[in-house]
Amino acid sequence: AQSVTQPDIHITVSEGASLELRCNYSYGATPYLFWYVQSPGQGLQLLLKYFSGDTLVQGIKGFEAEFKRSQSSFNLRKPSVHWSDAAEYFCAVGDGGGSNYKLTFGKGTLLTVNP
Amino acid sequence: KAGVTQTPRYLIKTRGQQVTLSCSPISGHRSVSWYQQTPGQGLQFLFEYFSETQRNKGNFPGRFSGRQFSNSRSEMNVSTLELGDSALYLCASSSSQPGETQYFGPGTRLLVL
Repeated sequence: AQSVTQPDIHITVSEGASLELRCNYSYGATPYLFWYVQSPGQGLQLLLKYFSGDTLVQGIKGFEAEFKRSQSSFNLRKPSVHWSDAAEYFCAVGDGGGSNYKLTFGKGTLLTVNP
Repeated sequence: KAGVTQTPRYLIKTRGQQVTLSCSPISGHRSVSWYQQTPGQGLQFLFEYFSETQRNKGNFPGRFSGRQFSNSRSEMNVSTLELGDSALYLCASSSSQPGETQYFGPGTRLLVL
């Protein structure tokens, strides 16, 4: 069965530092991959997605992610973190074809930003 | 375009009661999916509706049900509430094709006492 692993439950970085959030997936075919962000009490906001093509994808708020098929990874990066980036980040894989399509999420990584 | 809206935003119920949550998708979107989010289990897929038909279902008991109306609005119902049903229930809409981005609403926070 398909699965998504986010190894880091909680990450703390200083404002202005670089950030990398890890995501590994298990899926037989080429997956649809997503990163969402959730602020406290809010729903999920899409940061970026990968379907095919260029393996480095750009998203909103200065985020990017790189799809590496050989490592089954889709890590999220940002060169300089802002205090407003503090939130929980979810990696997801879209799996199943046709009428069985659904998103499978990782457990999330909580990001704390120190001033 | 207006985003996905969910009502109510907060709900308190007692064990044994039932509850109905509502979701209005983005205009033009015909697929609505529901997810349950809890601290222990994370985000779990409940079911998906497309053109008033349930197209996919997750691994939840029959107490969880839903429906979709001709205007694509969707409701989910939970009967005989249990304490473990306390969660944030998220609705997401998309156009129709598998792989299309799902856009999420703010969620309904359900507390079962």
